[in-house]
Amino acid sequence: QSALTQPRSVSGSPGQSVTISCTGTSSDVGGYNYVSWYQQHPGKAPKLMIYDVSKRPSGVPDRFSGSKSGNTASLTISGLQAEDEADYYCCSYAGSPWVFGGGTKLTVL
Amino acid sequence: EVQLVESGGGLVKPGGSLRLSCAASGFTFSSYSMNWVRQAPGKGLEWVSSISSSSSYIYYADSVKGRFTISRDNAKNSLYLQMNSLRAEDTAVYYCAGGVVVVAAFDYWGQGTLVTVSS
Repeated sequence: QSALTQPRSVSGSPGQSVTISCTGTSSDVGGYNYVSWYQQHPGKAPKLMIYDVSKRPSGVPDRFSGSKSGNTASLTISGLQAEDEADYYCCSYAGSPWVFGGGTKLTVL
Repeated sequence: EVQLVESGGGLVKPGGSLRLSCAASGFTFSSYSMNWVRQAPGKGLEWVSSISSSSSYIYYADSVKGRFTISRDNAKNSLYLQMNSLRAEDTAVYYCAGGVVVVAAFDYWGQGTLVTVSS
């Protein structure tokens, strides 16, 4: 049950795009199309942004998109806005059954 | 409206016990698997435990196996986490989370309840 690997931090200016990676193994990210992404603002509960690798829940802007290649999943945020500044976590089904990434702090410059 | 409300957190000494509860409303609780996820202060999310809709399947993270017990009462729309032999490293905000509209993810979360293990 090792945590998925995410960069500690990423940054971008308003209007730009950023991509956050999430690297696992063939036993989790690479083995299932059940990768999800969560946004968490300070002091708040996490919010689901992407599920099943690339699907968006109702109400999530289409600026948020997800993809996967092999054992690495990615979250791309285009047209960065100030309110996107938050921590982002990936999560994958792993048979055990779940494993989270360590989290990435997104700073909007 | 789906709501998950945790309770039962507090300060407990190392080696002590605590029972967390999660009251669910706004959906057919008995039809969905439920989960506990925790977050240590300043740290990331950690999956703790999952229980299937009928309690037939139960899973634990290695870090809590043998010390924590997840359970549910579908008649009371409630999820529980019995935590025994608590350690300082169990200090965290504990969230109740479920996949209701989405099956293989956590689309609903409670507000969390803080557990502090300290002498």
